[in-house]
Amino acid sequence: ETGVTQSPTHLIKTRGQQVTLRCSSQSGHNTVSWYQQALGQGPQFIFQYYREEENGRGNFPPRFSGLQFPNYSSELNVNALELDDSALYLCASSASRGRGWLTYNEQFFGPGTRLTVL
Amino acid sequence: QKEVEQDPGPLSVPEGAIVSLNCTYSNSAFQYFMWYRQYSRKGPELLMYTYSSGNKEDGRFTAQVDKSSKYISLFIRDSQPSDSATYLCAMMSLGSGGGADGLTFGKGTHLIIQP
Repeated sequence: ETGVTQSPTHLIKTRGQQVTLRCSSQSGHNTVSWYQQALGQGPQFIFQYYREEENGRGNFPPRFSGLQFPNYSSELNVNALELDDSALYLCASSASRGRGWLTYNEQFFGPGTRLTVL
Repeated sequence: QKEVEQDPGPLSVPEGAIVSLNCTYSNSAFQYFMWYRQYSRKGPELLMYTYSSGNKEDGRFTAQVDKSSKYISLFIRDSQPSDSATYLCAMMSLGSGGGADGLTFGKGTHLIIQP
């Protein structure tokens, strides 16, 4: 069984640029969540995708957007990068039973992509 | 006031000691409570999750939830140097859409077990 993988491992961009981060979910999982972890902080929820549709969003501006593909892999796109976007970006996959299913589904995290904005 | 408060440490204890890690929270809608361990330059790894108030034990780890006080704890018995890591508490509520609010994390406590 393959775990959650993310690419690239590290990335350096300059302010104003755009970036795309990628995540492959664990086998059998249909849901992907993205988190931002600034240095010395806990991860903050950006958004979640279930079966190719956004299924919930945290307090992040629209310049943070995402996609989920039919194979359940996912991309996080950030436009107009700011210095404060420098962080570890984590992807987590889980197996959800469906929208509105009131239960807990364990989220398995990938190793993250470290983004530095100069 | 943040929704989840956690002392960032560092917390340094000798090998073999019992470690107590704690979080408090303000949102009474939180229903699921988790503890993650994160090694340097790695993603978080789930240690335990609980739903109801009370204790849950798994090997050397015990998770405790007190919903009336909005307080959760993780105890580590017979601590080992390999337990040195950052421990993150996390919580989740289930909104009307079902499980789509994401996890709310504490800042994490940096734990050091001295050999």
